[in-house]
Amino acid sequence: DTGVSQDPRHKITKRGQNVTFRCDPISEHNRLYWYRQTLGQGPEFLTYFQNEAQLEKSRLLSDRFSAERPKGSFSTLEIQRTEQGDSAMYLCASSRVVWPNEQFFGPGTRLTVL
Amino acid sequence: QKEVEQNSGPLSVPEGAIASLNCTYSDRGSQSFFWYRQYSGKSPELIMFIYSNGDKEDGRFTAQLNKASQYVSLLIRDSQPSDSATYLCAVNIVGRGSTLGRLYFGRGTQLTVWP
Repeated sequence: DTGVSQDPRHKITKRGQNVTFRCDPISEHNRLYWYRQTLGQGPEFLTYFQNEAQLEKSRLLSDRFSAERPKGSFSTLEIQRTEQGDSAMYLCASSRVVWPNEQFFGPGTRLTVL
Repeated sequence: QKEVEQNSGPLSVPEGAIASLNCTYSDRGSQSFFWYRQYSGKSPELIMFIYSNGDKEDGRFTAQLNKASQYVSLLIRDSQPSDSATYLCAVNIVGRGSTLGRLYFGRGTQLTVWP
């Protein structure tokens, strides 16, 4: 049973650069979620997809953030013009559609913006 | 007011004791409740979920839900040093234009089990 995978695991970038992260969900899971977590805080919701449709996006999400899931399988999260405040762990999770849709997390991508 | 509140701790218990972790939530539209364990530098790992009032047991873990008091807890029996981690409480909330997909997390309670 393959779990959720994320790539890269670590990313260091300079302020103003664009970065892209990839997430591959558990194969039979239709839903895919992105969260962000900073030190000492719980994960904060960013957006989620059901198949290829983006069903919800956090109002806190800046226009610099965009996510896609073009074929309903893997997803990408892009951050444009990165800022130091974007430094965080970016977590991807997946679930079935069936309630209570338990969400299983990948290992995360740790982003450091210098 | 945050949707989910947890005492950040740290909570320290001796090996073999019962650790009790608590969580309160503000929205009565909350439907299902999840407990995750997160080791330092790692991602959250699902322990269990609960959605009905009462207790739900899974091995050494027991989740308790009281919807009237808007309170959910996690008990860990026979605590082991390997249980030392941060425990996150999360809820699904119906309404608010939500599609009942997103989870709202507390900031977590840090547990230390000493030998």
